[in-house]
Amino acid sequence: AQSVTQLDSQVPVFEEAPVELRCNYSSSVSVYLFWYVQYPNQGLQLLLKYLSGSTLVKGINGFEAEFNKSQTSFHLRKPSVHISDTAEYFCAVRAQAGTALIFGKGTTLSVSS
Amino acid sequence: KAGVTQTPRYLIKTRGQQVTLSCSPISGHRSVSWYQQTPGQGLQFLFEYFSETQRNKGNFPGRFSGRQFSNSRSEMNVSTLELGDSALYLCASSLNRDRVDTQYFGPGTRLTVL
Repeated sequence: AQSVTQLDSQVPVFEEAPVELRCNYSSSVSVYLFWYVQYPNQGLQLLLKYLSGSTLVKGINGFEAEFNKSQTSFHLRKPSVHISDTAEYFCAVRAQAGTALIFGKGTTLSVSS
Repeated sequence: KAGVTQTPRYLIKTRGQQVTLSCSPISGHRSVSWYQQTPGQGLQFLFEYFSETQRNKGNFPGRFSGRQFSNSRSEMNVSTLELGDSALYLCASSLNRDRVDTQYFGPGTRLTVL
């Protein structure tokens, strides 16, 4: 079975500061990894995904994530955040075809001026 | 392409009633999954439909059911509503069932059970 742990439930940060949202996963098989963002009163939007190849993945809105197989991590980073990045961020894994996405509990990113 | 649409967006019901939620996937997508999102439990998988057949089911009681039509639209039904069923119900569609397929989410239906 797979599981996802998002290490921080809340991350407060000032505008234009860098941010890292941490995600660790557990799986006995290879996985595909995803980061989604959820703005208030909206559904989930895909930020980026790691399927294979380069371990550094670039996504939308200036976000990027690095897959580290030895550390079983997939941390999300942004070098300079904006107020509009305030949202909840979910890390998810999928191991096999036909199985559901397994989500972490989410990290609330709060950006203030 | 239009995104995933869900209707209604908000719903208020009372305990014991039943409810039906609807999901229209992105055109051409054949797989539809449903998730329940609550503050305490987070995002939990309910079930997945593909080609009008339930392919996968999460750990929810039989009061939760669903179906998929030939045009890939899906409905989920919750019977005998309980207070704990209050949640945001999210539908996601993907092209097929390959693990590389991205799931695209709708805006959700906010269900409140009084």
